Amino acid sequence: AQKVTQAQTEISVVEKEDVTLDCVYETRDTTYYLFWYKQPPSGELVFLIRRNSFDEQNEISGRYSWNFQKSTSSFNFTITASQVVDSAVYFCALQNTGNQFYFGTGTSLTVIP
Amino acid sequence: ETGVTQTPRHLVMGMTNKKSLKCEQHLGHNAMYWYKQSAKKPLELMFVYSLEERVENNSVPSRFSPECPNSSHLFLHLHTLQPEDSALYLCASSQSLNLGTRVFGNIQYFGAGTRLSVL
Repeated sequence: AQKVTQAQTEISVVEKEDVTLDCVYETRDTTYYLFWYKQPPSGELVFLIRRNSFDEQNEISGRYSWNFQKSTSSFNFTITASQVVDSAVYFCALQNTGNQFYFGTGTSLTVIP
Repeated sequence: ETGVTQTPRHLVMGMTNKKSLKCEQHLGHNAMYWYKQSAKKPLELMFVYSLEERVENNSVPSRFSPECPNSSHLFLHLHTLQPEDSALYLCASSQSLNLGTRVFGNIQYFGAGTRLSVL
């Protein structure tokens, strides 16, 4: 069975603090993709990153970084020096070799000025 | 023109009504998706169309009927809905680079959704 767990339902941080959003996934497939999306109040999900199961390199993009660890089935997302504009709901997702996408329940991040 | 446009943004309907949700993508993609987003639940993938062929139908009740007349347009026809169908319905599109209809590894681009309330 495929499953994505985002245990943190809501997080609040003060601006400029670092914050890590956790994502744990379950799959029996050896080939899969992982994604992070951001959903601002306007509603549309915005793509942040895609990682395939054979690429465990961590990635940094500006204030965003991702830590992919197959050994713990985790794909965590860190925002450094958070800003108010980072306030949104963040979703982690898994896709197997079929045409199915599995999303977590999302983590609502509030950055307080 | 935004990449993926959904209309209407808000819809209120009675259980006996028939309505349709529309999605249009301006990205030149060849795959489109319908998702249901309910509070406190993961996004639920409902349907996937790739190259205008329906490739996934995740046990969605027949009161939801998708239609994909071309690669740029996707509809979700609604009839005799239930109150529990109230949710945000999101459309997405992607470009499949593989041969055939597989959407494996595709990056999806989402619309802003239609907020549906069934009374």
